[in-house]
Amino acid sequence: DAGVIQSPRHEVTEMGQEVTLRCKPISGHNSLFWYRQTMMRGLELLIYFNNNVPIDDSGMPEDRFSAKMPNASFSTLKIQPSEPRDSAVYFCASSSGRVNGSPLHFGNGTRLTVT
Amino acid sequence: ILNVEQSPQSLHVQEGDSTNFTCSFPSSNFYALHWYRWETAKSPEALFVMTLNGDEKKKGRISATLNTKEGYSYLYIKGSQPEDSATYLCAYPTGGTSYGKLTFGQGTILTVHP
Repeated sequence: DAGVIQSPRHEVTEMGQEVTLRCKPISGHNSLFWYRQTMMRGLELLIYFNNNVPIDDSGMPEDRFSAKMPNASFSTLKIQPSEPRDSAVYFCASSSGRVNGSPLHFGNGTRLTVT
Repeated sequence: ILNVEQSPQSLHVQEGDSTNFTCSFPSSNFYALHWYRWETAKSPEALFVMTLNGDEKKKGRISATLNTKEGYSYLYIKGSQPEDSATYLCAYPTGGTSYGKLTFGQGTILTVHP
């Protein structure tokens, strides 16, 4: 099992540009989560999907952020336009069921720097 | 307690010391309590998922206990080793259901000195 795969590992972009982060969950997992890690706020949940359907996106900071899961094996998190305050490490995680029985499996993260 | 709180924020111990730290969470509508270990430059890895009051789980020198009625969990490390140095996170579902919305505490940063 390759685990949760995220790409790219590092992204450096200029303010105003569109950024797309990608995630491939573990095969067979039906829940997918996008988290953002910052010094100030720690690990904060942006959005999660269950069976490819977005369940809760209340953590998405603003309309510049959007996430999709077109099928069970792929998800994207898009920031358009990007701003310097979006600089952070973005983690994708997947799990095989409900949180009362299933741990999260995290990808290696994408370190985003917006200049 | 409205959110997940962890204490202490950081801890420095000597190799061979035993140590413990705390996670506090809302005691109403309990679903589960997760513990993760996060080493520098890596991603968080699950240690335990705990669901029953009074539950105790163990993995090697690391163990955890759970009190759902008073809303706390302890993580214990026996005979700390330098490789135990990491941030230890607890997480709790705050969405009102057992699906998703796992909210993480700020973590306890453990440094074990040789």
